[in-house]
Amino acid sequence: GIQVEQSPPDLILQEGANSTLRCNFSDSVNNLQWFHQNPWGQLINLFYIPSGTKQNGRLSATTVATERYSLLYISSSQTTDSGVYFCAVGGSNYKLTFGKGTLLTVNP
Amino acid sequence: EADIYQTPRYLVIGTGKKITLECSQTMGHDKMYWYQQDPGMELHLIHYSYGVNSTEKGDLSSESTVSRIRTEHFPLTLESARPSHTSQYLCASSEYSQGQETQYFGPGTRLLVL
Repeated sequence: GIQVEQSPPDLILQEGANSTLRCNFSDSVNNLQWFHQNPWGQLINLFYIPSGTKQNGRLSATTVATERYSLLYISSSQTTDSGVYFCAVGGSNYKLTFGKGTLLTVNP
Repeated sequence: EADIYQTPRYLVIGTGKKITLECSQTMGHDKMYWYQQDPGMELHLIHYSYGVNSTEKGDLSSESTVSRIRTEHFPLTLESARPSHTSQYLCASSEYSQGQETQYFGPGTRLLVL
């Protein structure tokens, strides 16, 4: 099956800093999504981005499908950004394979 | 944004008991999924459904079973709970709309089997 690698596994930031999270995948995909899991376990979809670039407020994402990677940018980080960020990829069968996530801690 | 509900949120139960984890969504999504997630780990797909009377096993082997007799309802059952079933169980649904196939997640059920 498809392999998903996320880096870094852990990231600690001061409030206001910027960061870039990376997701590499091993095969072509029809579906790529970024999720944020808050400290209470709830997963929120951030982006559906199998290719191209999207922005939503302080967050943006870019997927370069031909090179099999995606980047999630967080600017001016806030303590509420803390949690685990997951990249998930899938083919044409609607199933998603999740990476191990990046644990982000934003300190005040 | 999809509304998807899971009950119970927390469950502590003894070994050998039968349990059913409930999942309901109000968006009319055709596709629904169950994932298992251990603390600090990634999500693993254990069951999915593409519609009523359609269920398939996911990538991670699980002793649980599911049913889909109504579009909005996708319960997961463990006939005889064991300590190895202790985990968080997350339900999700999705539908292709406006060029996107986005999964929406419920709040999860944290299961502890003693």
